[in-house]
Amino acid sequence: AQSVTQPDIHITVSEGASLELRCNYSYGATPYLFWYVQSPGQGLQLLLKYFSGDTLVQGIKGFEAEFKRSQSSFNLRKPSVHWSDAAEYFCAVGVGSGYSTLTFGKGTMLLVSP
Amino acid sequence: SQTIHQWPATLVQPVGSPLSLECTVEGTSNPNLYWYRQAAGRGLQLLFYSVGIGQISSEVPQNLSASRPQDRQFILSSKKLLLSDSGFYLCAWRGTGRGYGYTFGSGTRLTVV
Repeated sequence: AQSVTQPDIHITVSEGASLELRCNYSYGATPYLFWYVQSPGQGLQLLLKYFSGDTLVQGIKGFEAEFKRSQSSFNLRKPSVHWSDAAEYFCAVGVGSGYSTLTFGKGTMLLVSP
Repeated sequence: SQTIHQWPATLVQPVGSPLSLECTVEGTSNPNLYWYRQAAGRGLQLLFYSVGIGQISSEVPQNLSASRPQDRQFILSSKKLLLSDSGFYLCAWRGTGRGYGYTFGSGTRLTVV
């Protein structure tokens, strides 16, 4: 079965600094990959997704992620963090074009310091 | 455009009482529907999903059940709540074509007292 690992439970970044959140997956073929963001007490919002093609994908709110097959990774990046980016971030993987369910990582909580 | 509605937003229920959480989707047909639960520090736990009317897949044996009486309606129920049922419940839908991610509802905070 596929699995998703987000090795960082918490990350603190200064406002204006760059951000990279790590995500590794375990699956033999190329999965469908997603990043979601959740503000406190809210549902999850899709930031970006990767299915095929260009391995660098752009998302909303200035986020991007890069798929690296050799490392089984799909790390999320942002060049300059804003205080409003403080939230929990989830990486997820779906297997096969007709996947029924997504497997989520346990999330990374992003704290932004002034 | 598609929208997902989930209610109520918050709920405080005594132990042993019944539960009914409702989720509806608009603007699409034959969606995949999902119920997830978030407990503090435990990430997202898939509870149930449905790929069609009357079809329910249960991921975790527990005190809860789900039903899909209509194409775009998904209900999470319990006959008798336990303290351990407290958590944040999220409904989500997904289109059945290639390339769809989940779209989540705004969630229900359930506190069992």
